[in-house]
Amino acid sequence: QVTLRESGPALVKPTQTLTLTCTFSGFSLSTSGMCVSWIRQPPGKALEWLALIDWDDDKYYSTSLKTRLTISKDTSKNQVVLTMTNMDPVDTATYYCARIRDQTPDYWGQGTLVTVSS
Amino acid sequence: SYELTQPPSVSVSPGQTARITCSGDALPKQYAYWYQQKPGQAPVLVIYKDSERPSGIPERFSGSSSGTTVTLTISGVQAEDEADYYCQSADSSGTYGWVFGGGTKLTVL
Repeated sequence: QVTLRESGPALVKPTQTLTLTCTFSGFSLSTSGMCVSWIRQPPGKALEWLALIDWDDDKYYSTSLKTRLTISKDTSKNQVVLTMTNMDPVDTATYYCARIRDQTPDYWGQGTLVTVSS
Repeated sequence: SYELTQPPSVSVSPGQTARITCSGDALPKQYAYWYQQKPGQAPVLVIYKDSERPSGIPERFSGSSSGTTVTLTISGVQAEDEADYYCQSADSSGTYGWVFGGGTKLTVL
């Protein structure tokens, strides 16, 4: 059974760095073709893709946010970590991680709401 | 930047057919994916690779592609299908970036 769970702070202050962890089970990120991606959704707005890491440790980022994002994986812990620097109130959103297998994002976590406020 | 365009809203009566479109220049070259999202819940994949249906998704959900437009069709709409629907694809520039459409609110009258 594939599951993903996002964790991290619910509240961060402007200019701080956000660190989110996606802890997953039911698959291995060392398997060829497997990837994990991060997506966010501001309240009442559309989904926005952030970053992706694949089984070969290749990393891809949103063009508009790439200077602020870093994605990494710890295969032994079944975790993927996303950091986002210089947080702003407009970054308030629910952050999701999702598994991609054979190019298909088939399982998503339940998401974690991050509020940016002083 | 690359964009996918969806209508903001679609309304149908129960039992009718709902069609939600998604337009983008790269769609002839890249697969499209469709997600259903109900309030307070994570998105659920309902169509992948343009027209494939994941296991557990009812047969009334189908997808098709024609040129720069992909379409999610829900036949015999039920009240439980009321939700936001998002299309997603990739930028064809080779950067492997994903793009999401703006979402369509399906209302079952």
